[in-house]
Amino acid sequence: GAVVSQHPSRVICKSGTSVKIECRSLDFQATTMFWYRQFPKQSLMLMATSNEGSKATYEQGVEKDKFLINHASLTLSTLTVTSAHPEDSSFYICSASTGTSGRTSSYNEQFFGPGTRLTVL
Amino acid sequence: GQNIDQPTEMTATEGAIVQINCTYQTSGFNGLFWYQQHAGEAPTFLSYNVLDGLEEKGRFSSFLSRSKGYSYLLLKELQMKDSASYLCAVDTDKLIFGTGTRLQVFP
Repeated sequence: GAVVSQHPSRVICKSGTSVKIECRSLDFQATTMFWYRQFPKQSLMLMATSNEGSKATYEQGVEKDKFLINHASLTLSTLTVTSAHPEDSSFYICSASTGTSGRTSSYNEQFFGPGTRLTVL
Repeated sequence: GQNIDQPTEMTATEGAIVQINCTYQTSGFNGLFWYQQHAGEAPTFLSYNVLDGLEEKGRFSSFLSRSKGYSYLLLKELQMKDSASYLCAVDTDKLIFGTGTRLQVFP
């Protein structure tokens, strides 16, 4: 099956620093990647959708200057949390799809990465 | 607005059957997914419904009624390893997730 990896799996950083999270599709080309955030005991909230080679589309309330997304190739997307603060501490999960423009269907299932737990001190 | 409701928690015993309900009100509907998520891990795909009716997959079945905005996930012959959160997600050109149902299976 399709495999998506994330790196790092856990990161602890000081307030004010930037953290980069990588999401890779290992055995397929992902035209679309999604970034989600999940706070404890809450569901996944979509942060942004990125299509390879174009600018990411951010959800309402998500600061694009704070959460920088780069989708430079069909197998790699990165999320950089700039000037992280304790309230940014969360579980960040990426997913990859072979669909386009964020559309999902039974043919364009999203495959989730294992997640990155970010703790900002 | 987008609204997807699931019970917060459920408990059941090993070997039993449990039904997890999901009701939704969304602007747009392309299909409904069920995912399983163990604590600290990514969601894993369980089922997808786009037409009304029941989809069966081994011990897991999922039902959809589009006119009622309703779905359920049925888990049979429960095992301890089924203890997890179960997420209902509606495809509206992007996935909108419910809050998830934490299921605890007891011996």
